Amino acid sequence: EPEVTQTPSHQVTQMGQEVILRCVPISNHLYFYWYRQILGQKVEFLVSFYNNEISEKSEIFDDQFSVERPDGSNFTLKIRSTKLEDSAMYFCASSIRLAGAGETQYFGPGTRLLVL
Amino acid sequence: KQEVTQIPAALSVPEGENLVLNCSFTDSAIYNLQWFRQDPGKGLTSLLLIQSSQREQTSGRLNASLDKSSGRSTLYIAASQPGDSATYLCAVTPRSYIPTFGRGTSLIVHP
Repeated sequence: EPEVTQTPSHQVTQMGQEVILRCVPISNHLYFYWYRQILGQKVEFLVSFYNNEISEKSEIFDDQFSVERPDGSNFTLKIRSTKLEDSAMYFCASSIRLAGAGETQYFGPGTRLLVL
Repeated sequence: KQEVTQIPAALSVPEGENLVLNCSFTDSAIYNLQWFRQDPGKGLTSLLLIQSSQREQTSGRLNASLDKSSGRSTLYIAASQPGDSATYLCAVTPRSYIPTFGRGTSLIVHP
């Protein structure tokens, strides 16, 4: 069964450094999403992406964050200058159609980011 | 601002019991409500999605209901099994897809 993959599974970085989290969505999916979950906290929506554009973004997704689909398979989340509070599990997801319209999203296993 | 609350926060039951997990939300102007399952160290798995015009959805031993006017949803798990042990998350979505999640109910089903 097709699945969403994410790399790396764990990343440790120094405050102020740039990090890029990578995701490979399911191949025929058109909508892509990033979420984060700070340890012990709720899952939070960051951004959705369709047709090479951001569709929706939350208040968390400020100018420090960016997303890109650099080729036909990868979907990346970049954090330009990491802060301690960016430490979290970051989940990528994809769906054929917009998840809010009732389409099932498929989640990756996550990347645990630790900012020191 | 939408707030989603899930009760109970944790639940431990013997195998075979029927369970009810609760989700409440403060703003009834939702487009849909979803229930997810999260296993430790893993991503989320979508279980059921209820559109705002629907009252319930069923999948196998799972049944989710929605009362939009009162801001409540329940997830009913019939004949629970140890494999059901996980955290169950509720998320509500307005027409623009910006979901708000609850903290989840951590369920342990022991043999």
